[in-house]
Amino acid sequence: QKEVEQNSGPLSVPEGAIASLNCTYSDRGSQSFFWYRQYSGKSPELIMSIYSNGDKEDGRFTAQLNKASQYVSLLIRDSQPSDSATYLCAVGRFQKLVFGTGTRLLVSP
Amino acid sequence: EAEVAQSPRYKITEKSQAVAFWCDPISGHATLYWYRQILGQGPELLVQFQDESVVDDSQLPKDRFSAERLKGVDSTLKIQPAELGDSAMYLCASSPEVGTEAFFGQGTRLTVV
Repeated sequence: QKEVEQNSGPLSVPEGAIASLNCTYSDRGSQSFFWYRQYSGKSPELIMSIYSNGDKEDGRFTAQLNKASQYVSLLIRDSQPSDSATYLCAVGRFQKLVFGTGTRLLVSP
Repeated sequence: EAEVAQSPRYKITEKSQAVAFWCDPISGHATLYWYRQILGQGPELLVQFQDESVVDDSQLPKDRFSAERLKGVDSTLKIQPAELGDSAMYLCASSPEVGTEAFFGQGTRLTVV
């Protein structure tokens, strides 16, 4: 079992729709959770961090964390073509920061 | 805005040659990471520093890779000799402390021919 799992996609949504990206992790001791956006050929860019159960909103982005289910998600409201990228989930446990393989999101005009 | 600086941005080298990458983290960030990312995959940790000390280098191929952060500030990652399979993006990231947000530099795209 991988430490951090994501569906590789692509996830295709029309412009203006809500994109829902999901991530599961294996270690119950994980303490910090992050979402990064990575455009093709570029480095990852941090877009959200979440440390406690529940929802955290920042503009069009909402991160959701459920530690009991070992599940973290990212919702993107009013998706734009510029949101088309790979979204990486990262999980912090002990002193390590482990990344998933990413989900590719395609937003069509 | 503070950024993680990396150089070079691109590097083409012949197999069996030596190559080195440099990273300057955000000022005050104690934790520094070197990741390798192969196309279509997530970043994989090569080495993690806390100040000048190595915290985790379990995935670093020590027969050919080395990393240092002598004064606990900037860091160098070296490959000698380079192999074709080393072609990848090498990413440096830093965070204020372990477990907090990590910020990435622009990366070094290495091509070994």
